[in-house]
Amino acid sequence: EDQVTQSPEALRLQEGESSSLNCSYTVSGLRGLFWYRQDPGKGPEFLFTLYSAGEEKEKERLKATLTKKESFLHITAPKPEDSATYLCAVQAADYKLSFGAGTTVTVRA
Amino acid sequence: KAGVTQTPRYLIKTRGQQVTLSCSPISGHRSVSWYQQTPGQGLQFLFEYFSETQRNKGNFPGRFSGRQFSNSRSEMNVSTLELGDSALYLCASSFGVGSSTDTQYFGPGTRLTVL
Repeated sequence: EDQVTQSPEALRLQEGESSSLNCSYTVSGLRGLFWYRQDPGKGPEFLFTLYSAGEEKEKERLKATLTKKESFLHITAPKPEDSATYLCAVQAADYKLSFGAGTTVTVRA
Repeated sequence: KAGVTQTPRYLIKTRGQQVTLSCSPISGHRSVSWYQQTPGQGLQFLFEYFSETQRNKGNFPGRFSGRQFSNSRSEMNVSTLELGDSALYLCASSFGVGSSTDTQYFGPGTRLTVL
């Protein structure tokens, strides 16, 4: 069975304090790994797709990387508006998405 | 381009009732997936429809069912509601075909409260 584990569960940062979120996974036939951002009471917002080990994607203060067993989401010099829950998901050969429990990031001004 | 829309946004029902939720995918998308999100269990996959056929199914009881119409719009039905069915129900759409990874885009969700 596909498994996705995210750590830490919660992260409290000072504005400007860079950090990383981890997503480790086991999946049969990985088609891709996804990162989403979710604000309270809203649907997840798509951030990145990573397809193969060694791939990196960047968007503003966020950078996602992928190895054969895990992915990292690096937040550089975060701002309060980066506060959200960040979800990692893997897509298996049958197109099903399996989500991790998420990391809730709080950035204090 | 309009995003995924879900109706209604909020719903309050009592135990034993049934409920139908609706999802309109992004134009051109043929796959619709449904998820249940609760604080304790996170995002759990319910089922996926592609071209009016159920293509994948999660581990939920038969009280949860769905369908997809020829215009790709989808509905989800929950019968004999239980207190534990209170959750945010999310719909996601994607193109659903091809050998490349298929990104799912989510709607805002329907917040269901069962009293």
